[in-house]
Amino acid sequence: SQQGEEDPQALSIQEGENATMNCSYKTSINNLQWYRQNSGRGLVHLILIRSNEREKHSGRLRVTLDTSKKSSSLLITASRAADTASYFCATDPSLYSGNTPLVFGKGTRLSVIA
Amino acid sequence: IAGITQAPTSQILAAGRRMTLRCTQDMRHNAMYWYRQDLGLGLRLIHYSNTAGTTGKGEVPDGYSVSRANTDDFPLTLASAVPSQTSVYFCASSEGPGRGGEAFFGQGTRLTVV
Repeated sequence: SQQGEEDPQALSIQEGENATMNCSYKTSINNLQWYRQNSGRGLVHLILIRSNEREKHSGRLRVTLDTSKKSSSLLITASRAADTASYFCATDPSLYSGNTPLVFGKGTRLSVIA
Repeated sequence: IAGITQAPTSQILAAGRRMTLRCTQDMRHNAMYWYRQDLGLGLRLIHYSNTAGTTGKGEVPDGYSVSRANTDDFPLTLASAVPSQTSVYFCASSEGPGRGGEAFFGQGTRLTVV
């Protein structure tokens, strides 16, 4: 079964607002990654946070990780219409579960209205 | 820079027919993966290969087979297609489990089984 579960399933905001998406997972991980998918396209890697890190930034993206709660959040600041996409978290449990590949959640559909 | 190439991009297939989805990467990645994406279910792992010559079953392997004769190619075969295999299929690659790297995705193959 899928490890990561994103929340909310869908999010609609105005351009310029911040968007926050959450991810919860079940088992120990090496790292957690966030991906973006534009409609009809493949997933594109956004950011990776290791299990010993608590926060990471990349441009307008801010990711936090709380391993005690098994949760992560992705914050997109000052959102733009071009940020409209689906966002997925993926967990890498491989060091704990026999080299298992990335496990993806169901995603959050973000709509940014201009 | 090609990255990962999938073929075909879309296909309509009669039930009962055999089909092979092709996937080639030029990044010399050790690991390759096949996922299917269905509305509301996110990405589910079908099969994976951590290195050439080895394969493993994912979450939904039934009805599919894979081979990994070399580093670059990872074809997915549907021996006798059924309508429930209608989906968008994504191939991905990474340096391998435990190496903490991101996954790179192809653009997907949209398969309709009628």
